[in-house]
Amino acid sequence: KQEVTQIPAALSVPEGENLVLNCSFTDSAIYNLQWFRQDPGKGLTSLLLIQSSQREQTSGRLNASLDKSSGRSTLYIAASQPGDSATYLCAVLLLIGGTSYGKLTFGQGTILTVHP
Amino acid sequence: GAVVSQHPSWVICKSGTSVKIECRSLDFQATTMFWYRQFPKQSLMLMATSNEGSKATYEQGVEKDKFLINHASLTLSTLTVTSAHPEDSSFYICSAPPPELAAFIYTDTQYFGPGTRLTVL
Repeated sequence: KQEVTQIPAALSVPEGENLVLNCSFTDSAIYNLQWFRQDPGKGLTSLLLIQSSQREQTSGRLNASLDKSSGRSTLYIAASQPGDSATYLCAVLLLIGGTSYGKLTFGQGTILTVHP
Repeated sequence: GAVVSQHPSWVICKSGTSVKIECRSLDFQATTMFWYRQFPKQSLMLMATSNEGSKATYEQGVEKDKFLINHASLTLSTLTVTSAHPEDSSFYICSAPPPELAAFIYTDTQYFGPGTRLTVL
């Protein structure tokens, strides 16, 4: 059974800091890994998707890396801003035989607070 | 871009009643939809996979008779929480895979709805 763990559970930093969120997974046979942002009481916003054959993806101040063999991914946020405050979730997709879309397994999230 | 909506966004009900939550794909057809549950400060847990025109596939530990799923059309899936109890209070989120293969491969494996907050008194 796939298990996804995120460290730290919570993080509070002053504005402007660069920070790293960690995600690990137990089954390396993933199709891809995705990082999401969730604001309180809201749905999910996709941030970055890394295919299993890729090592990293970048979008603006966000950079996500993937080491599939070791079962690890990191999300790097540069020059953090108060607007970055949210819960960050990583999820891995396993393709299941007989289905077209596979199954997403989520980590428990990292609650990020960036204070001015 | 593709949008998934949910209705209602929040609902409060009395213990023992049934509550129906709708999930709609607004500008695309979805033969498959997913239902997740999220307890406070916890992650999303997949409850079931909804398939248009056939029975839903439930994850281990999810009671089929309590969480009834109906995928009546290519744009609508419903989740009915029957005989709701306070422990069913949670945030329920649905999702659907994007219609474009390129989106599935490169940007989004699933489009998520905004969620429904269920509180059972």
